[in-house]
Amino acid sequence: DAMVIQNPRYQVTQFGKPVTLSCSQTLNHNVMYWYQQKSSQAPKLLFHYYDKDFNNEADTPDNFQSRRPNTSFCFLDIRSPGLGDAAMYLCATSREGGSLANYGYTFGSGTRLTVV
Amino acid sequence: DQQVKQNSPSLSVQEGRISILNCDYTNSMFDYFLWYKKYPAEGPTFLISISSIKDKNEDGRFTVFLNKSAKHLSLHIVPSQPGDSAVYFCAALGAGNMLTFGGGTRLMVKP
Repeated sequence: DAMVIQNPRYQVTQFGKPVTLSCSQTLNHNVMYWYQQKSSQAPKLLFHYYDKDFNNEADTPDNFQSRRPNTSFCFLDIRSPGLGDAAMYLCATSREGGSLANYGYTFGSGTRLTVV
Repeated sequence: DQQVKQNSPSLSVQEGRISILNCDYTNSMFDYFLWYKKYPAEGPTFLISISSIKDKNEDGRFTVFLNKSAKHLSLHIVPSQPGDSAVYFCAALGAGNMLTFGGGTRLMVKP
């Protein structure tokens, strides 16, 4: 089945130690998104790729970076995780010209990041 | 400034009864509204959507109502089933095809 896969499902990292979360998709969607979701809050968009074009949200901290080496893969790098970065990180995809209004984005299962 | 709000963090309903989840928005330029369902340890999955030019969309047990003048939408689940227990997110599609999410409502359907 075509899907969005996030690895790992759970990640524990030390305060200040760089960590990378990965996302892959078999849907051949050209847009990929990274969201941060903290408990009982709305998912917050960090950035998205439109093909290879990177779009950063204005309030995304510089501590968060992303790479998209090809259509299928996208990475979220947190350079120096703080305790406040503990959250669920969701990757999502969509296709330009697709039935976005009817189906929205396709999400992965998320990576829950714990910072110790 | 939250453009999409779900003011009820949780809702408890008896099996077989109607569940009504509410959502308010502030941006009148949103084109579509979507509801997502999220189980623990899983990503949100699309449930149902409605165009801003319509006032109702129905899909099986799920119906979404849109009141543009009040900038309010609601999701009705009839009859509610225990498997419907999840967090429900309201989302709005606006400029640049960006989705803006509400904070979610946790629905618990009791057998």
